[in-house]
Amino acid sequence: NAGVTQTPKFRILKIGQSMTLQCAQDMNHNYMYWYRQDPGMGLKLIYYSVGAGITDKGEVPNGYNVSRSTTEDFPLRLELAAPSQTSVYFCASSLDGSSGNTIYFGEGSWLTVV
Amino acid sequence: AQSVTQLDSQVPVFEEAPVELRCNYSSSVSVYLFWYVQYPNQGLQLLLKYLSGSTLVKGINGFEAEFNKSQTSFHLRKPSVHISDTAEYFCAVTLGGSYIPTFGRGTSLIVHP
Repeated sequence: NAGVTQTPKFRILKIGQSMTLQCAQDMNHNYMYWYRQDPGMGLKLIYYSVGAGITDKGEVPNGYNVSRSTTEDFPLRLELAAPSQTSVYFCASSLDGSSGNTIYFGEGSWLTVV
Repeated sequence: AQSVTQLDSQVPVFEEAPVELRCNYSSSVSVYLFWYVQYPNQGLQLLLKYLSGSTLVKGINGFEAEFNKSQTSFHLRKPSVHISDTAEYFCAVTLGGSYIPTFGRGTSLIVHP
């Protein structure tokens, strides 16, 4: 069971560069999420999607963009990388919009902007 | 909007000792409560959750949590910890009718031999 797969696992970017974090899930989940995790700050929601073609902003969307062309894939794009975007990024998914749903996480992508 | 407070950022304990990780939430409406665990260099995984019914919830690896509505708490306990329980633990709350949880800041459990 692959679950939620993220690539790359580690990346160093220079200020002003752009990149895309890839995320794919094979559980046929409708809902997908991108979080960032900073030390001592817990998880902050960046963007989420309730289905193919539908995306919405979370708590900290500035500097990021997403797309959801298929149920399986939910890439996160960083435009004009800044040091403040140095973080660990987690992609996640859940089956649907039920409040009690478990959220399944990928293993994370460590990004450093220098 | 709901908020989640994990009262301890770090909890050091010795192996085989009991442990309690505290979580309080602020909401007057129905809530769904979760504990997730994050082992080093891994993503989060579900430890246990409370949806309804019995207020004592049992999860994986011998952990349990008790929902206390009057104190708006959902503390996580384990009677005897192992070295392998060393990890970051996150409490999360979802309001009834919502599907996006709010996560606490996490508690780092450090188990010493």
